[in-house]
Amino acid sequence: GEDVEQSLFLSVREGDSSVINCTYTDSSSTYLYWYKQEPGAGLQLLTYIFSNMDMKQDQRLTVLLNKKDKHLSLRIADTQTGDSAIYFCADEGATNKLIFGTGTLLAVQP
Amino acid sequence: EPEVTQTPSHQVTQMGQEVILRCVPISNHLYFYWYRQILGQKVEFLVSFYNNEISEKSEIFDDQFSVERPDGSNFTLKIRSTKLEDSAMYFCASSPANTNTEAFFGQGTRLTVV
Repeated sequence: GEDVEQSLFLSVREGDSSVINCTYTDSSSTYLYWYKQEPGAGLQLLTYIFSNMDMKQDQRLTVLLNKKDKHLSLRIADTQTGDSAIYFCADEGATNKLIFGTGTLLAVQP
Repeated sequence: EPEVTQTPSHQVTQMGQEVILRCVPISNHLYFYWYRQILGQKVEFLVSFYNNEISEKSEIFDDQFSVERPDGSNFTLKIRSTKLEDSAMYFCASSPANTNTEAFFGQGTRLTVV
């Protein structure tokens, strides 16, 4: 079945850029998503990219998609302590259920 | 901003008991979902619901689970006879269309089965 994998942990210093990586296996992906989960909170949609695009920029967020390698990344520019959270990559395939990765815990050091 | 509301935020129940997790989706949304996240594991799809019937369900969603939209505003997940392994955070989501680009998730209900 479809699978989505992410590294578990990333630590950066405030003001640096963060890059969170994700790989997926689904060949019929329509959209790929990035969600943010803060402690005790739900899943907040940050951004998404259509599978025919290779880049999307939204303020401090840049999503890169390499469809050939099935690799997705989220770059957060000028990372702030408020960006500390778990970031989930998710794949939406032919049916519109989401397949989530394990989540990457981003720790931002002041 | 509109939001999906889930109640209760935390439910503790004894093994074998029935639980009902409640969700109030955003009012003009037509597609509804339940996901769960066992502690330390991935968020997993359980079921999608549209036009008063299940559109898709995962292999997790066995006969112990059911969903209902009883009154046009609530969307409920019932677990008939809870097991220890049902302990998880349960997330409800709703969307106006058959895509997740406009979907919103609730804050989750933490279910603890003892």
